[in-house]
Amino acid sequence: DTEVTQTPKHLVMGMTNKKSLKCEQHMGHRAMYWYKQKAKKPPELMFVYSYEKLSINESVPSRFSPECPNSSLLNLHLHALQPEDSALYLCASREQVSYNEQFFGPGTRLTVL
Amino acid sequence: SQQGEEDPQALSIQEGENATMNCSYKTSINNLQWYRQNSGRGLVHLILIRSNEREKHSGRLRVTLDTSKKSSSLLITASRAADTASYFCATENVGTSGSRLTFGEGTQLTVNP
Repeated sequence: DTEVTQTPKHLVMGMTNKKSLKCEQHMGHRAMYWYKQKAKKPPELMFVYSYEKLSINESVPSRFSPECPNSSLLNLHLHALQPEDSALYLCASREQVSYNEQFFGPGTRLTVL
Repeated sequence: SQQGEEDPQALSIQEGENATMNCSYKTSINNLQWYRQNSGRGLVHLILIRSNEREKHSGRLRVTLDTSKKSSSLLITASRAADTASYFCATENVGTSGSRLTFGEGTQLTVNP
C-alpha cells in the first residue's frame, strides 16, 4: 500500500461547528504533515509530526488542533473556523530519514460558511 | 514566507514540444524537489536532486541544479496532453526545529492536443 488517504473529500461547515479531518498511511512512514493550500497558490506547511510527536507548528491559530493517535493516523480538529480558512487541506507522509520525497493524499476541500 | 520563485507562471505549448520551467531560491538547501498537481488534487513527487548533484533524469524529465545561482530547471520532453498540470519546485531546508519543504509559486502548464 503506497498511498495516503484522506477523509472526507469535501467538508462544508459553519463557523460554530467542530469537525475533524482524517489522514491515514500504511507505508510505515514516521513523519506526517498537514498543509493548507489556497486556490492557485502553493501548499503552506502547518504542522509536522515526527514519531507521533509534534515537531513543527508554523504558528497556526489554535482553532486548528492536530493529533497523531498512532504512527498511521493523523487528525486535524477544526473549531470556530473563519471563512478565510476555506482551502484544500493536504496531508503528506515520508520515511523519517529526512531528505526524501513526500507522499501526498488527495486532500480535503474545506468550505467555511 | 515562500522561498522559491518559479517562472513562467503559465506556459502553453503544443503536444510533442518541450516544456521548461525554472525555479529560483534564496537560502542554502539540502535538496530541491519537483512536484506535479492536477487541478484540485494532491501533489505527486516527480524528482529529487540533492545539493551536490547538477543534473538528474527520470523518463521524459530532466532536472538541473545550479547552487551557485540558486536556481533549478525542469525540462519535460515530448510533452503530452496528460502533462497538463501545475508544477511546483520545493526546497528542503534544515532549521533548528527540523527540516521542512518550502514550495515555489508554481507554473501552470497547458499542453494542447
